[in-house]
Formats: sequence, structure tokens, C-alpha cells
Amino acid sequence: QKEVEQNSGPLSVPEGAIASLNCTYSDRGSQSFFWYRQYSGKSPELIMFIYSNGDKEDGRFTAQLNKASQYVSLLIRDSQPSDSATYLCAVGANTDKLIFGTGTRLQVFP
Amino acid sequence: EPEVTQTPSHQVTQMGQEVILRCVPISNHLYFYWYRQILGQKVEFLVSFYNNEISEKSEIFDDQFSVERPDGSNFTLKIRSTKLEDSAMYFCASSDIRNRGTQYFGPGTRLLVL
Repeated sequence: QKEVEQNSGPLSVPEGAIASLNCTYSDRGSQSFFWYRQYSGKSPELIMFIYSNGDKEDGRFTAQLNKASQYVSLLIRDSQPSDSATYLCAVGANTDKLIFGTGTRLQVFP
Repeated sequence: EPEVTQTPSHQVTQMGQEVILRCVPISNHLYFYWYRQILGQKVEFLVSFYNNEISEKSEIFDDQFSVERPDGSNFTLKIRSTKLEDSAMYFCASSDIRNRGTQYFGPGTRLLVL
């Protein structure tokens, strides 16, 4: 059974701090890695994707991938209260489907 | 910015009834998907669709479910005889041919089976 694991949280950080969200996956054949943001009652919104080992930066977001450790993370710099949401890690192998984790709830307090 | 749209936003139905959930994928996308999310649980893959046929389906996608692209823009999910456990948010997603794995989700249809 291919699994994607995330700490459910909540992860509470003060406004302006760096939020670090982590995800591990079980399938070594996984090739693509995604971070989605989901506000309560809303749909997943794609914020980052990464395919290669290392870091990928986009504005305040940095995705980090370590395939040897089967680990992917998302850093959010200068966290804002509007970043408060559930962050879903999703993993794709050599198939169409994405396998999602349960998500980590992030709370950014003023 | 182009986006996936879904109708209806909410659907209430009686157990055993048929429902059709509709999606309009992003216009230049060729890969289409349905996922569901039961309240408080993770997003689960149901089915993927390309070139007018199912390319992959999960064990959830049994004979009660079917998908169709009835015209050049719509993509539908039909549940033939709904069960209480079908109550969930159903998300449609699409991706383009160059970045097949990068899937963009619609706003979802909340289905409640009574």
C-alpha cells in the first residue's frame, strides 16, 4: 500500500516566522511531488511542485525534496495569517493518480 | 486565469438515486480526473480519463460509477445508485499534455446522500 504521511498538526507559528511542513512517502518509484493548500470547505489549490532532488523556490515558498530519504518539505517564509490552512502533500508515481497525505493544519497567529 | 468549474456546488439525493456531477476542465487540458474527499479524511483518487477512455481507476471506482465526456467541454461523473457512504466532496481536476502530473482542481461538488 503506497502511503504519504504528514503530521496532522496543528502547527502554530507567529506572523513573520518560517513555517516548515514535512511529508514522507513509501513508494520509491515516486517521481513527482506536489504541495496543495486547502482552506476549510474548499478545494485543493496547487502551490508548488518539485520533481528533482534539492530545493525549488517560488516567492515565499520553498519545496525541498530528498528522494534517498523519501522526504519532501515545504517552507513558508514570512508567514501571514492568510496562510492559515491545511497543506496537503501529494505524490505521483508512473501513473495518473496522485496519492495525498492527510494534510497538516497550519495556524499563523498575529 | 483559466480554471476548472464544477456544477452543482451542492447536491442532496436519496439513497438509491442516480446523480450526475459535471465538470468543465481547463480548455487546453487533455487529462481529466475525479477525486473525492469524505469529511475529515484525505483526498482519494477515483479515476483518470484521456482520449475518451479511462486510463486508470481505483478500487473505489466500482460498477456504480461511470465517467463520460459527452461533448468537447464537459466531463461527468455518474453514480448510478447512491449509497450513504458516497456522501463526500467530489473534485474534478485536469492537466495538460506537457505537465500531466500537475493537476488543477475544481471547486468541488458536495454530495449528501440521505
